[in-house]
Amino acid sequence: GAGVSQTPSNKVTEKGKYVELRCDPISGHTALYWYRQSLGQGPEFLIYFQGTGAADDSGLPNDRFFAVRPEGSVSTLKIQRTERGDSAVYLCASSRAGPGRGELFFGEGSRLTVL
Amino acid sequence: AQSVTQLGSHVSVSEGALVLLRCNYSSSVPPYLFWYVQYPNQGLQLLLKYTTGATLVKGINGFEAEFKKSETSFHLTKPSAHMSDAAEYFCAVSDRGYDKVIFGPGTSLSVIP
Repeated sequence: GAGVSQTPSNKVTEKGKYVELRCDPISGHTALYWYRQSLGQGPEFLIYFQGTGAADDSGLPNDRFFAVRPEGSVSTLKIQRTERGDSAVYLCASSRAGPGRGELFFGEGSRLTVL
Repeated sequence: AQSVTQLGSHVSVSEGALVLLRCNYSSSVPPYLFWYVQYPNQGLQLLLKYTTGATLVKGINGFEAEFKKSETSFHLTKPSAHMSDAAEYFCAVSDRGYDKVIFGPGTSLSVIP
């Protein structure tokens, strides 16, 4: 498809479990962002990739959260030992260039529910 | 560090009335500024952005915003609201030279027939 694809669209898991969320960006987009959005709030920055490397991971809340982008395309957000407070919609966005020169294109998100 | 505040978590306007959604930002360097819209059950999409040049920028669907450095503001306006404008609107900022984009808490716009 032409847009940013995120899978799964919905994930329900139990507290303490491990979760992976996948983002497939628009072909050719070198920049990739992960955000977390809780109900009634704006997207909260988690991490930003330029190519394969994490250019800024200052938004990752703790060491249970980790993201990779090994080939500079698909990215996976990994959450270990999930907690109920991790429940949110996780958004992925990609861009051909930085925000000053390009536009962030968002996927529809992965809704994570931790029971 | 950048930050964004949006005055009014919820705004209601009558159809045909002026839409004004407020955004103030904090940035240590000249900013890039954005407005994104999120329609129900859809992903965020860019409405408009300010990077350099003209401080009044026009976007899609008749929206525009003006960058006012002295007020650190980037308010979004539309002269006449339409029912289809009902959505969540997010203001965002990025420090020039950096690619991290920070979003505000959002304003939910309702349009009353």
